[in-house]
Amino acid sequence: QKEVEQDPGPLSVPEGAIVSLNCTYSNSAFQYFMWYRQYSRKGPELLMYTYSSGNKEDGRFTAQVDKSSKYISLFIRDSQPSDSATYLCAMVDSGGSNYKLTFGKGTLLTVNP
Amino acid sequence: NAGVMQNPRHLVRRRGQEARLRCSPMKGHSHVYWYRQLPEEGLKFMVYLQKENIIDESGMPKERFSAEFPKEGPSILRIQQVVRGDSAAYFCASSQDSYQPQHFGDGTRLSIL
Repeated sequence: QKEVEQDPGPLSVPEGAIVSLNCTYSNSAFQYFMWYRQYSRKGPELLMYTYSSGNKEDGRFTAQVDKSSKYISLFIRDSQPSDSATYLCAMVDSGGSNYKLTFGKGTLLTVNP
Repeated sequence: NAGVMQNPRHLVRRRGQEARLRCSPMKGHSHVYWYRQLPEEGLKFMVYLQKENIIDESGMPKERFSAEFPKEGPSILRIQQVVRGDSAAYFCASSQDSYQPQHFGDGTRLSIL
């Protein structure tokens, strides 16, 4: 079982839709969770950074963490064509390797005008 | 541009040659990380450096790969005697300290002929 599982998609939605992206993980030591957006031929861009279980909102983006289920989500409201990208979840444990990001493989999202 | 700068963006080498990838961290960041993204794979941690110190190189292949972050100048990832399997996108990230989120550059895409 991989440490982080992420559905690769592709996911195609119409403009204005609510998008839900998800990752599951197996390592209960993971304590910090991030979502990155990666446009084609670009580097990952940090979108959200959360620590505790629950929701964190930033504009059209909401990150949700459920540590008991080892499940994290990213919701995008009122999706725009400019949101078309690959979304990567990443996580870090709280131990001695708290800098070592473990990534999912990414979900490719296309928002159609 | 105050972001993480990587160069070159694209690098072509023949088998057996050396590849040198450079990374200048964001202003004010003294922690540098290198990740590799193979085709159809997620980003994988390679090495974590601070100025003049390698903190964790557990993700680096034992042979042919080395990294440094000198007191002055950029961090360098060096691959000696490249082979076809080294073809990948190599990303550098930086942070203020190991607890802060990592910010990525746009990567160097290495192609081996």
